[in-house]
Order: sequence, then C-alpha cells, then structure tokens
Amino acid sequence: AQSVTQLGSHVSVSEGALVLLRCNYSSSVPPYLFWYVQYPNQGLQLLLKYTTGATLVKGINGFEAEFKKSETSFHLTKPSAHMSDAAEYFCAVSLLAGGKLIFGQGTELSVKP
Amino acid sequence: DGGITQSPKYLFRKEGQNVTLSCEQNLNHDAMYWYRQDPGQGLRLIYYSQIVNDFQKGDIAEGYSVSREKKESFPLTVTSAQKNPTAFYLCASSDIGQSKSPLHFGNGTRLTVT
Repeated sequence: AQSVTQLGSHVSVSEGALVLLRCNYSSSVPPYLFWYVQYPNQGLQLLLKYTTGATLVKGINGFEAEFKKSETSFHLTKPSAHMSDAAEYFCAVSLLAGGKLIFGQGTELSVKP
Repeated sequence: DGGITQSPKYLFRKEGQNVTLSCEQNLNHDAMYWYRQDPGQGLRLIYYSQIVNDFQKGDIAEGYSVSREKKESFPLTVTSAQKNPTAFYLCASSDIGQSKSPLHFGNGTRLTVT
C-alpha cells in the first residue's frame, strides 16, 4: 500500500533563508509525486509534480523538488523564503495519472521577518 | 475562467440533520473527488467518481453519500450517521483522459455541526 510521510508538522524559517520540507513515500512501483500548497481557508494549489523524466522538478513561486528513488524521497526546497510562502504544504502520491491521491499529513511553514 | 465552485463556504447544522455540500466544475473533467481535511491528518478521500452515474467509496465513506447525475456536479451529503462531521470538505476534479493530469481543488466548505 502507498503511504506518504512528511517529517515535521511545523517548520519555521527566517525570511531569506532556505526552505526545506521533507517528504518520503512508500510504493511498490514508481509513483507520481506532487506538492500542493494551501493558504488559510482555501483549497489546494498545485506547486509542482513529478511523473517521469528529469528528477529535479521546478514549480511555481520559486519552489523545486528532487525525486530520489534510492531514498524514496521528494523533498521540497526554495533557496530564499518570502513572507508570502507562509502556508501549509502537502506532499501526495498517486500510482495512476489523474488518479486518486494519497496525501501526507501536511507541514505548516512559518516565515519570520 | 474555468474552475471548481464549492458552496456554501461556511455551513452550520444541528446534530441529527443531513446536509448537502455543493460542488460544480466547468473544466470538463471526467473525474471528481471529495476529501475531508482535519488538522494534523492531511486529506482523506471520501468518495470519487470517474464517470457520470458511477462512483466509488474512498477510505472514509461511512456516513456520507454522493450522486453524479451530471458531469459538472458532484454533491456530497453528510448524513446523521456520520459520527464526527465537523470538518473542512474539499472537492476536486481531474482529467483522467489526459496523462499526468493533477487534481484541481475548490476552495472548500467548512461544516460545523453542534
């Protein structure tokens, strides 16, 4: 069975610092991997996705993630945090294109001035 | 602009009453989904539908019901059998005919049952 683990329910960084949000998955076959962002009282917005091909994926708002099969990881990074990055971030996995997603528990990112 | 509309944004009900949450999409997507979000638990799948007049249970379907009479609409009914209905409910859709299509989400309905 698939599962997704996000390490750290809360992460706090200073403005301008590196953002690193961790995601590990378990799957018997190569999955499709996604990162979504959620602002308060809103739905989820796709940040980036990995399906096949290049393992370093660039998304919106300066975020990127690297698929590491050997580590079963898909960590999200951004070189320099901005106040507007404060939100909750969800990692998700799917075995099927456009299919139902399994979500991690979410990581709330706080950005300090 | 195409998107998913969930209404209402906030909903209050008394315990023992059924309540229906609306979800409409104009993205021409075949698949639609309902997720429930609780703090610290991520999103859990309630029901999903890949075609009109057909739907499948997700991981936490007990106490919920859905219908898919039109491609654009996928309403969710929270019945009195749902033991802990207070939550944030998210509707999503995807184009399963398009390879690697991500989910598109509505802005959610926050249901409070007292």
